[in-house]
Amino acid sequence: QQQVKQSPQSLIVQKGGISIINCAYENTAFDYFPWYQQFPGKGPALLIAIRPDVSEKKEGRFTISFNKSAKQFSLHIMDSQPGDSATYFCAASIGSGANNLFFGTGTRLTVIP
Amino acid sequence: DTGVSQDPRHKITKRGQNVTFRCDPISEHNRLYWYRQTLGQGPEFLTYFQNEAQLEKSRLLSDRFSAERPKGSFSTLEIQRTEQGDSAMYLCASSLDPGAETQYFGPGTRLLVL
Repeated sequence: QQQVKQSPQSLIVQKGGISIINCAYENTAFDYFPWYQQFPGKGPALLIAIRPDVSEKKEGRFTISFNKSAKQFSLHIMDSQPGDSATYFCAASIGSGANNLFFGTGTRLTVIP
Repeated sequence: DTGVSQDPRHKITKRGQNVTFRCDPISEHNRLYWYRQTLGQGPEFLTYFQNEAQLEKSRLLSDRFSAERPKGSFSTLEIQRTEQGDSAMYLCASSLDPGAETQYFGPGTRLLVL
């Protein structure tokens, strides 16, 4: 049973465009929602994270939007660059990001010049 | 580089053989995690340690899998009697708890069981 559902599976965006990746969860006990970025041959790396007490968090070109009532959250990448081409995973955990993470299935983003 | 390191990076084995992977966490990190990632999927939690104590194990961790962190520093993950379904990337991560929520992942060990 997939605890966190992620879409789309793959995404192609023009350089300078906006990339949007969506995730949904069922377990209302989740209270920490990170996004991880993974390049080929590397382990995932934390990009940005949010807790449900805020609806939006922005760090540079990356923004998380969070809808607690809908149990959905999304990652927006503004001004997408070819260097952003990677696989992105949403995740969720209970209590702390230091507890076990439940990952989505991933979105392969390709930014074309 | 003082990140999480894993050894070996790649392992090819025959079905039925035992394999052991090693993970060296970031120095001072007291939490260490093992995840498994199959092609096209996100990482799946296997187990984690707080210092040398194994605090949680996923039901994915069958009896053929055992993990240790004897001195609270490096950890080993052993798979006995490997099966083709064990073929995956095995990721290790570490964090500092309490005080930080970021899990830092290593590059993984890719296992292929023939």
